[in-house]
Amino acid sequence: QSALTQSPSASGSPGQSVTISCTGTSSDVGAYELVSWYQQHPGKAPKLMIYEVNRRPSGVPDRFSGSKSGNTASLTVSGLHTEDEADYFCSSYGGINNFGVFGGGTKLTVL
Amino acid sequence: EVQLLESGGGLVQPGGSLRLSCAASGFTFSSYAMSWVRQAPGKALEWVSTISVSGGSTYYADSVKGRFTISRDNSENTLYLQMNSLRGEDTAVYYCAKAIVVMAFDYWGQGTLVTVSS
Repeated sequence: QSALTQSPSASGSPGQSVTISCTGTSSDVGAYELVSWYQQHPGKAPKLMIYEVNRRPSGVPDRFSGSKSGNTASLTVSGLHTEDEADYFCSSYGGINNFGVFGGGTKLTVL
Repeated sequence: EVQLLESGGGLVQPGGSLRLSCAASGFTFSSYAMSWVRQAPGKALEWVSTISVSGGSTYYADSVKGRFTISRDNSENTLYLQMNSLRGEDTAVYYCAKAIVVMAFDYWGQGTLVTVSS
């Protein structure tokens, strides 16, 4: 079970947009529409931001959007707010024999 | 209000055992798959284990297979993780999480710290 690949860091200024990528394989990200994204502030539990590639849970601003192309999923944060500064993790289902995997995380800095 | 409250963490010696519990409230526990996710200090999230609504199907990360056992008591609205043969690399905050769909966790507990050290 290899972790999904995320860039360690990303940054943007307030009001700008930033995209975070998450690369897996044809057995996980590429095989299922079951990619999720989580936001985690220091010392806090993760918060679900996107599930099933592009669905937003109730209460998550529509500034957050998800997409997928092949083995790579992406999270886009539009109109950055200072409170968006956090760690972001992707996850994917990988089938019965490789059930679940997370990405290594991306630290988003809002300059 | 959905609440997940973990307990049972602490300091244990290598090779030792711990049992984590997660008390759930605010939703129909028996209708949702549940999972354990851990996070070593300063590290990424790591999926540990998932159990189906009935408890009849369980899934484990390779790193814990054969050492950890997930279970649930739907009459008590409680999720468990029995951890045996603990290693230093098992040191982490352990979260229980409710799944909205596979590998999509919409509610998390506050976490319980497990430290494996002599």
